[in-house]
Amino acid sequence: DSGVTQTPKHLITATGQRVTLRCSPRSGDLSVYWYQQSLDQGLQFLIQYYNGEERAKGNILERFSAQQFPDLHSELNLSSLELGDSALYFCASSVAGTIQETQYFGPGTRLLVL
Amino acid sequence: SQQGEEDPQALSIQEGENATMNCSYKTSINNLQWYRQNSGRGLVHLILIRSNEREKHSGRLRVTLDTSKKSSSLLITASRAADTASYFCATDDSSASKIIFGSGTRLSIRP
Repeated sequence: DSGVTQTPKHLITATGQRVTLRCSPRSGDLSVYWYQQSLDQGLQFLIQYYNGEERAKGNILERFSAQQFPDLHSELNLSSLELGDSALYFCASSVAGTIQETQYFGPGTRLLVL
Repeated sequence: SQQGEEDPQALSIQEGENATMNCSYKTSINNLQWYRQNSGRGLVHLILIRSNEREKHSGRLRVTLDTSKKSSSLLITASRAADTASYFCATDDSSASKIIFGSGTRLSIRP
């Protein structure tokens, strides 16, 4: 158990809908990362937050947004969902958000868009 | 495009044998990490090697880094069934603002 929690574990929704994925980092970790893992695209970095502020951005679509709250939990919002958004979404956390650090991954949220 | 690319994409070996996976990357890096992912689960960090290091060990894991060839290898010795997983290398991007994962090697250990 990494100490990173993600909810929900599974999510089934329809095209055009909006969903929110939630992540709680390990105790003491200030940085949160979001990743998307699909069969054809592999593990793609979406976005990173550090202590409530956006720190780095990856291949995140405009339909997706995220935020990190004062209690350091983070939410990833996916809107106008398309079939291709079906994937595993992982959250990871680290202490200070530097690239030399170990990232601790949560168990993921499996999203299926029908 | 991916910064790191693992080779082979899939590897099947007998329990007890050694497994070697390779990672090649395109631009200069500050460090390189290896992660393991069991099917459908989150990634688990294995080892980090810095650009000024050539070799690092952790238990049955041995990682080498050749910055002149822009490549790294992960050796798992005396493989066990529990080593069955996908293995990813991760490198920092050219701006050193984030790490980028390769496509992974799927390792299967046959009993």
